[in-house]
Amino acid sequence: NAGVTQTPKFRILKIGQSMTLQCTQDMNHNYMYWYRQDPGMGLKLIYYSVGAGITDKGEVPNGYNVSRSTTEDFPLRLELAAPSQTSVYFCASTDPQGTGANVLTFGAGSRLTVL
Amino acid sequence: SQKIEQNSEALNIQEGKTATLTCNYTNYSPAYLQWYRQDPGRGPVFLLLIRENEKEKRKERLKVTFDTTLKQSLFHITASQPADSATYLCALDIKGGFKTIFGAGTRLFVKA
Repeated sequence: NAGVTQTPKFRILKIGQSMTLQCTQDMNHNYMYWYRQDPGMGLKLIYYSVGAGITDKGEVPNGYNVSRSTTEDFPLRLELAAPSQTSVYFCASTDPQGTGANVLTFGAGSRLTVL
Repeated sequence: SQKIEQNSEALNIQEGKTATLTCNYTNYSPAYLQWYRQDPGRGPVFLLLIRENEKEKRKERLKVTFDTTLKQSLFHITASQPADSATYLCALDIKGGFKTIFGAGTRLFVKA
């Protein structure tokens, strides 16, 4: 199993450009998440989804959009890139039905630089 | 305000010693507390979780304690090895919700 796959691994954007970070998982997990990680700041939740067609905001949703049309895919869209969005982005998924806890499986991350 | 706090300073210990990392939280009611390991350039990897009604959990050289009165968890690595060098993240599953909230992590260096 591939687990959680993120693309691209690296990207440089100019201010005002748009792009989509792709995330797909092959574990049939209903819950999926997008986090960003800035140096020394830990992981901040951007958006999450508990199933196809259902999304909700996390701690830092401004400047981002998401959609969840299938169980497998959870893309993150940046509409007008700003330098403050320079960060490492992690996608994660979980199925809490086993333990009841959200034990997350993370992707390898996407490093985004906005210049 | 709601906070999860981990030691921001790196922890340096000698190989063979026990490493102890601390996670404190305020104004959260977690159903579970989790610990993850993160290596440079990689995503976090789940290590252990402990439920709100559990005091202690062990897995091989790892031990986690959870005190909901003190709002604190301690994460211990016994007989530490250089390969244990990484950043360790504390995370809370909030009751009644779908979110997992992370602390900033503590960097551990184990010297041979």
